[in-house]
Amino acid sequence: DQQVKQNSPSLSVQEGRISILNCDYTNSMFDYFLWYKKYPAEGPTFLISISSIKDKNEDGRFTVFLNKSAKHLSLHIVPSQPGDSAVYFCAAISRRGKLVFGKGTKLTVNP
Amino acid sequence: NAGVMQNPRHLVRRRGQEARLRCSPMKGHSHVYWYRQLPEEGLKFMVYLQKENIIDESGMPKERFSAEFPKEGPSILRIQQVVRGDSAAYFCASSPEWAGTSQETQYFGPGTRLLVL
Repeated sequence: DQQVKQNSPSLSVQEGRISILNCDYTNSMFDYFLWYKKYPAEGPTFLISISSIKDKNEDGRFTVFLNKSAKHLSLHIVPSQPGDSAVYFCAAISRRGKLVFGKGTKLTVNP
Repeated sequence: NAGVMQNPRHLVRRRGQEARLRCSPMKGHSHVYWYRQLPEEGLKFMVYLQKENIIDESGMPKERFSAEFPKEGPSILRIQQVVRGDSAAYFCASSPEWAGTSQETQYFGPGTRLLVL
């Protein structure tokens, strides 16, 4: 049973445009959500997070939105750059700091 | 400040052999987490350790897998009598405190890619 779902395995956008990556979750006990970026042959790198008491968190070009009633969050990257091409994992914190990951979305930003 | 270090980066084993994966957390971090990523999948939690203690091993297979984080030295994930299904990338992460309450993020190492022939 997948508690964190990323339904789009891949996304392709043009440089300068907005990238929107989506994530759904089923466990209402999650209270903290994170996005990780992963390049091939490297470990995931923390990108941005959001607490369940907020609905938006912004850090430079990256903004995460949380809709608790819909159990949905999204990561917006604007403007997208070729260096943003990577696999993006949505994750949620459960008890004891156990991260629950989605399967990831591969983002390709075309020059 | 060096990041989380894992070695080896690549490990090839034949069925029935043992695999030992090492993880050195970031300096000052006393919490270590191990995750496994199967092909085309997300990372799956295996075990959470503090120095000399296993806190949560609910994601660890009951047989052949064990983990430790001794007082001195790296954390070790040990897989005995490996099978082809153990082929995966194994990631270690560390945090200075329990990530669940302090909201400290977990910092990941580059992973060990295990291939079982």
